[in-house]
Amino acid sequence: SAVISQKPSRDICQRGTSLTIQCQVDSQVTMMFWYRQQPGQSLTLIATANQGSEATYESGFVIDKFPISRPNLTFSTLTVSNMSPEDSSIYLCSVEWPNTEAFFGQGTRLTVV
Amino acid sequence: AQSVTQPDIHITVSEGASLELRCNYSYGATPYLFWYVQSPGQGLQLLLKYFSGDTLVQGIKGFEAEFKRSQSSFNLRKPSVHWSDAAEYFCAVGAREYGNKLVFGAGTILRVKS
Repeated sequence: SAVISQKPSRDICQRGTSLTIQCQVDSQVTMMFWYRQQPGQSLTLIATANQGSEATYESGFVIDKFPISRPNLTFSTLTVSNMSPEDSSIYLCSVEWPNTEAFFGQGTRLTVV
Repeated sequence: AQSVTQPDIHITVSEGASLELRCNYSYGATPYLFWYVQSPGQGLQLLLKYFSGDTLVQGIKGFEAEFKRSQSSFNLRKPSVHWSDAAEYFCAVGAREYGNKLVFGAGTILRVKS
């Protein structure tokens, strides 16, 4: 199984600022995913991050708002840019599931004030 | 388009009673199916998964689920609920044809009354 560490676990940010969330995996994975869970809602995929290529964004999400880096096979970052209160959510990273399951980090709980 | 439906937003059961949480999916490819549980303030924990083979799968914490292709369903069951099972449950579907990304249902909040 994969162990995924996310940092920070939570943060309170001022509107208009940006926050970068880090996701570290204890094994090499080709695909990493970033999800958002808005308060009281289910999880929605933001983008898929493959090492060595641009992230692929889902409908409704754009790179300018959620830039993603994937410098190697064990690490990725998601930045939430120019934040507004509507960005208050839990952000989770996940890794591909070659044979077993989709592993998730514990999430980053973001509050924008 | 791929979609997952969990028709019950809230369910309340008595401790010791049986439980069934419903999940229906619409998918254009061979689906891989998951159930996750999320306790308040916690991350997602995988309960069980179905990839292939036996359509009745056993998971952790005494949960099981049955894949019924004809009904496009993957319902979660537990014969006797414990108070610690109170949480939110998410059904998710994925497929390699769609890049291994998961589509989640809206979730079902389980309340357990003593």
